[in-house]
Amino acid sequence: SQKIEQNSEALNIQEGKTATLTCNYTNYSPAYLQWYRQDPGRGPVFLLLIRENEKEKRKERLKVTFDTTLKQSLFHITASQPADSATYLCALENTGFQKLVFGTGTRLLVSP
Amino acid sequence: GAGVSQTPSNKVTEKGKYVELRCDPISGHTALYWYRQSLGQGPEFLIYFQGTGAADDSGLPNDRFFAVRPEGSVSTLKIQRTERGDSAMYLCASSSFLGETQYFGPGTRLLVL
Repeated sequence: SQKIEQNSEALNIQEGKTATLTCNYTNYSPAYLQWYRQDPGRGPVFLLLIRENEKEKRKERLKVTFDTTLKQSLFHITASQPADSATYLCALENTGFQKLVFGTGTRLLVSP
Repeated sequence: GAGVSQTPSNKVTEKGKYVELRCDPISGHTALYWYRQSLGQGPEFLIYFQGTGAADDSGLPNDRFFAVRPEGSVSTLKIQRTERGDSAMYLCASSSFLGETQYFGPGTRLLVL
């Protein structure tokens, strides 16, 4: 069966450290993968998109990697801040289908 | 407007009633998507439009759910004979073209009593 898995347990880290979130998928052939941030009661906010032929993408303190062999994407936030505390969702677009399929999200808590 | 807007932000209704949820996409975006999100879950696809036509409605849970986009811009999600299990956050997103980044609105929180 098709699955997208993100760590359901909250990730607690200290301010200034690097947060690393994992997204694994099974039985999908994604054309691209996206990461979103979601605050409680709000809609997801787009952060980064990485395509199947890209290994890594960066934007300011954010970095995403995409390994189609391992079927995994890693999302990194360097020099984390308490304001980075939120739920982070990964979503993929299965090649040939236009809709996004989301993981359940991982909650990140950054302590001062 | 600058982003996707959705109205109302909250809707409380009684079981069996009819509701309409509205989405205003980013100006010029041709693709529009509806998702539903339950607490603790990721958004789940319902339907998407390319222009005025529903290109894929495979995520609509049953025939009580229907969506329209008559002029290729604003879309309305319609739910008939609401049930308590319909309670969720309903999210709308738009993209400039199919397959491009989807930008989400703030959502409509629906509560069916």
